[in-house]
Amino acid sequence: QQQVKQSPQSLIVQKGGISIINCAYENTAFDYFPWYQQFPGKGPALLIAIRPDVSEKKEGRFTISFNKSAKQFSLHIMDSQPGDSATYFCAATQGGSEKLVFGKGTKLTVNP
Amino acid sequence: DTGVSQDPRHKITKRGQNVTFRCDPISEHNRLYWYRQTLGQGPEFLTYFQNEAQLEKSRLLSDRFSAERPKGSFSTLEIQRTEQGDSAMYLCASSLASTTEAFFGQGTRLTVV
Repeated sequence: QQQVKQSPQSLIVQKGGISIINCAYENTAFDYFPWYQQFPGKGPALLIAIRPDVSEKKEGRFTISFNKSAKQFSLHIMDSQPGDSATYFCAATQGGSEKLVFGKGTKLTVNP
Repeated sequence: DTGVSQDPRHKITKRGQNVTFRCDPISEHNRLYWYRQTLGQGPEFLTYFQNEAQLEKSRLLSDRFSAERPKGSFSTLEIQRTEQGDSAMYLCASSLASTTEAFFGQGTRLTVV
């Protein structure tokens, strides 16, 4: 049973464009939603995270939008750059359970 | 380097052999996690420690897998009688107990031939 569903599986964007990756979750007890960026051969790196008490969080070019009623959250990368080309994972966890549940990932390619 | 450190980075072993991986967390972090990542998938939780206590184990962690964190600092993950299905990237992460922000190491890529 996949608790966090991520789409699309792959995404190609032109430099300067907006990249949007979506995730949906099932467990309403989840209360922390991070996004990780992973380059080939490297471990995932924490990018940005949100809790359900806010609907949006922005850090630089990266924004998380959160819709609690729809049980969905998304990552927006503004002014996408070739250096953003990586695999992005959404994840979720709930207080008291320390394990992160990850989506299957989105491979982003930003063309110059 | 003050990040999470894993050793070795790569390990090739023959089926049936035992392997052991090491993880050194960020020094002040009291929580340590092990995840497994196969090609094209997100990381899957295996187990986690708070200090030296192993508090949760996934059903993915068969009897052939054992993890320890003897002094609440570094951790080891041992796989006995390796199988081809064990081939994966094994990731270690650490965090403070007061926060859910987990920081990952670069992983150990295991190939069982």
